Amino acid sequence: GENVEQHPSTLSVQEGDSAVIKCTYSDSASNYFPWYKQELGKRPQLIIDIRSNVGEKKDQRIAVTLNKTAKHFSLHITETQPEDSAVYFCAARYYNNNDMRFGAGTRLTVKP
Amino acid sequence: DGGITQSPKYLFRKEGQNVTLSCEQNLNHDAMYWYRQDPGQGLRLIYYSQIVNDFQKGDIAEGYSVSREKKESFPLTVTSAQKNPTAFYLCASSPDRDQPQHFGDGTRLSIL
Repeated sequence: GENVEQHPSTLSVQEGDSAVIKCTYSDSASNYFPWYKQELGKRPQLIIDIRSNVGEKKDQRIAVTLNKTAKHFSLHITETQPEDSAVYFCAARYYNNNDMRFGAGTRLTVKP
Repeated sequence: DGGITQSPKYLFRKEGQNVTLSCEQNLNHDAMYWYRQDPGQGLRLIYYSQIVNDFQKGDIAEGYSVSREKKESFPLTVTSAQKNPTAFYLCASSPDRDQPQHFGDGTRLSIL
């Protein structure tokens, strides 16, 4: 099936720095792109999402950008804190297969 | 999210045994999903259901079965045909396919 590619697989930053995670998708009809944060052994939690009618959305230290032409979207975390350490998953709503496709995840470590 | 309950938290399966994982939601969501998560990997869709008495196969449905007799419940059976069942299983629900998915706490299944 079609996949969502997510990079990098691991990311380590110093506290206070910014972190960027990028995803690409292949279904040009995709119109909904959520991001989830999963702490060790816990459930994924939605942190932000974006629909295809906007190019950027921001919520405090978190922002997501979408480039529909290039079919990629990115998560930006500014002023990172140790509690931001987790695995982050991107996803895209695939109409061809009628389901949500997830990236493989990025393990973010924020060093104090 | 307290609205989705998965049980048990840990489950052990013996050779040749079928086991059933429970997923209940009180969010009045129409759509429900089952995902499998292996270490260091993203979420892979096993089955999903958009409405009661209807469900569709995901990418890795072989060796699994589901039912959707009630809106609130979407149990997953891991059959003996699933030769590598050890994984973390996540259930999710959403109001419809284009809305964020809310996840349960997961069930960790291991082979005895």
